[in-house]
Amino acid sequence: AQKITQTQPGMFVQEKEAVTLDCTYDTSDQSYGLFWYKQPSSGEMIFLIYQGSYDEQNATEGRYSLNFQKARKSANLVISASQLGDSAMYFCAMRGGLYSGSARQLTFGSGTQLTVLP
Amino acid sequence: DADVTQTPRNRITKTGKRIMLECSQTKGHDRMYWYRQDPGLGLRLIYYSFDVKDINKGEISDGYSVSRQAQAKFSLSLESAIPNQTALYFCATSDTRDRTTDTQYFGPGTRLTVL
Repeated sequence: AQKITQTQPGMFVQEKEAVTLDCTYDTSDQSYGLFWYKQPSSGEMIFLIYQGSYDEQNATEGRYSLNFQKARKSANLVISASQLGDSAMYFCAMRGGLYSGSARQLTFGSGTQLTVLP
Repeated sequence: DADVTQTPRNRITKTGKRIMLECSQTKGHDRMYWYRQDPGLGLRLIYYSFDVKDINKGEISDGYSVSRQAQAKFSLSLESAIPNQTALYFCATSDTRDRTTDTQYFGPGTRLTVL
């Protein structure tokens, strides 16, 4: 079974500063994928970034980067230079290896509500 | 136009009514999924389909059924709605050809209230 834990229900950050959102995971799969999604107050789920378990480099997408520490089973999202529009709920999710049964679904954490202060 | 659309976007219904939520996509993806989100929780998988002839139950399929009418269309039905099915429902798609990430892309969601 897979499990995602997000221990920060809410976070505040000052505009233009960087913020780290924590995510730890548990899985018995050797191959897996980790995702971060953003959910603004309007409700849609927006894909931000992906990290594969065998990727040697940390993933980056614009102002988003993923601090992947495999031995610690953590996949923290770092948002640099926060903007007011970054205020949203952020979800960490994982799927199993592409050839395993657990590849058929994403397992989500409970989310972190980020508020960017002007 | 959005790649993944869901109709209706909001729906209020009464206990015992049958209701259908529809999802269509123009992304050309073969895999489609239905999730629900309850307040304060992440998303949980209801059903998924890897092609038109393939339907599979997810983590919380009881009380729901689905139909894959075409590669681009996947509908979710509540045969007899009950109040604890009040939730935000998401459709998602992914592409088998994306063999590296298999990223799922979500529709805008349907907010369902069962009175």
